[in-house]
Amino acid sequence: DVKVTQSSRYLVKRTGEKVFLECVQDMDHENMFWYRQDPGLGLRLIYFSYDVKMKEKGDIPEGYSVSREKKERFSLILESASTNQTSMYLCASSFQNSNQPQHFGDGTRLSIL
Amino acid sequence: GENVEQHPSTLSVQEGDSAVIKCTYSDSASNYFPWYKQELGKGPQLIIDIRSNVGEKKDQRIAVTLNKTAKHFSLHITETQPEDSAVYFCAGAGYSTLTFGKGTMLLVSP
Repeated sequence: DVKVTQSSRYLVKRTGEKVFLECVQDMDHENMFWYRQDPGLGLRLIYFSYDVKMKEKGDIPEGYSVSREKKERFSLILESASTNQTSMYLCASSFQNSNQPQHFGDGTRLSIL
Repeated sequence: GENVEQHPSTLSVQEGDSAVIKCTYSDSASNYFPWYKQELGKGPQLIIDIRSNVGEKKDQRIAVTLNKTAKHFSLHITETQPEDSAVYFCAGAGYSTLTFGKGTMLLVSP
């Protein structure tokens, strides 16, 4: 079975802090994705990566950056956390073609105080 | 880009009834349509998917239909059980990513 592991289930940070969310997958997938999930808004794509050191903006990249130094690991960075970034963050991975299923981690619930 | 609309936002059924969730998409080039189930405290899990060269696909109590002309696809769950209670998301594959609907909360009452 595909395993996508997010380093923290719950995280509480303060406004202005730099926040790192980590994600690791064990299926040698080329693609990795970061989404945020908010009530009534569904899943919105923040950034994705189709290869090591490659990144593409999704629908809502403002206030975020990403890092992919190894194929299995994809990090989401909040450069200066703000309260409107309080949300559930989901990481996913898939094989290269867009019509391949994405496999999700269980999410990190991030609260910015 | 792709836009996916999902209805209804909530659906309540009695155990044993059928449930239908409908989605429409905008990009005629989309060719892959997965459905995900998300239980409380967990990430979305793929339950079934369909590609545009197929009109219907079944897996036990779950089926998905696709109408490419009308650009809509639907999830059908028969003989619903309380453990089917969850949030369900449809999605469409655009150029390189998935676009998700806003989700349907399905409640199955015993």
